[in-house]
Amino acid sequence: GENVEQHPSTLSVQEGDSAVIKCTYSDSASNYFPWYKQELGKGPQLIIDIRSNVGEKKDQRIAVTLNKTAKHFSLHITETQPEDSAVYFCAASINFNKFYFGSGTKLNVKP
Amino acid sequence: DTAVSQTPKYLVTQMGNDKSIKCEQNLGHDTMYWYKQDSKKFLKIMFSYNNKELIINETVPNRFSPKSPDKAHLNLHINSLELGDSAVYFCASSSGTANYGYTFGSGTRLTVV
Repeated sequence: GENVEQHPSTLSVQEGDSAVIKCTYSDSASNYFPWYKQELGKGPQLIIDIRSNVGEKKDQRIAVTLNKTAKHFSLHITETQPEDSAVYFCAASINFNKFYFGSGTKLNVKP
Repeated sequence: DTAVSQTPKYLVTQMGNDKSIKCEQNLGHDTMYWYKQDSKKFLKIMFSYNNKELIINETVPNRFSPKSPDKAHLNLHINSLELGDSAVYFCASSSGTANYGYTFGSGTRLTVV
C-alpha cells in the first residue's frame, strides 16, 4: 500500500517567518494530496489540497507544491502567526478513497 | 450546526468492558470512516462505509465492529477492551468520489485502565 513520510516532526519558527513541511509518497497512482491542521483537542481540519494535474496551489498565506516525478509535496506557510501553531498532517490518496496520512508535524510559532 | 459529531468526547473504562462510540454527519456525505490516532499522533484508517456498506476493513481486531444503520450514522462497538485500545478515535465523512477531502469529527478519547 501507499507509504507517506513527513518531515520534520517538529518545527519551531519565529512569528513572521516562513514554515515548510515536506512529504513524500510511494505510490505513483496517488492523485490527491490534502493537508490537515489539527489544533489541541480537535479533529483535523482540511486547510488546502492539490491534485496530481496541478503543480502548485495557493490560498492566502498557505501554498502547496507537488512534484509528481520525485513523488513529494510540500506545505508552505508564509508570515506565520501564533494561531498557526498546531499539528499539520499531509495525506495521499488514489481517487479520494482511503487516505494515507503522514506522521504529523508539530509547528510552534513563537511570538 | 456541527457537521460531524461524535459521542462521547471522553470515555474511561476498565479492561474487559464493552463500549460504543457514536458518529453522525449532517453533510449528506455518502462515505464515513473511523480512524485511530495513537499517542504519537499517527492517524490510521480502521473502517470505511459507503451508503451503509463496508468498503474498507483494515487489519483491525475482531473486537472492533462498525455498524452503519444509515448513511448519516457510523457507530463503533468495541468488545473486551484492552490497554492498547487507548487512543483518540476520529469519525470522518466525505462525498466519496466528489473531489474533496474528509471532514473529521472532534474525536473520542478512549482510556482503558
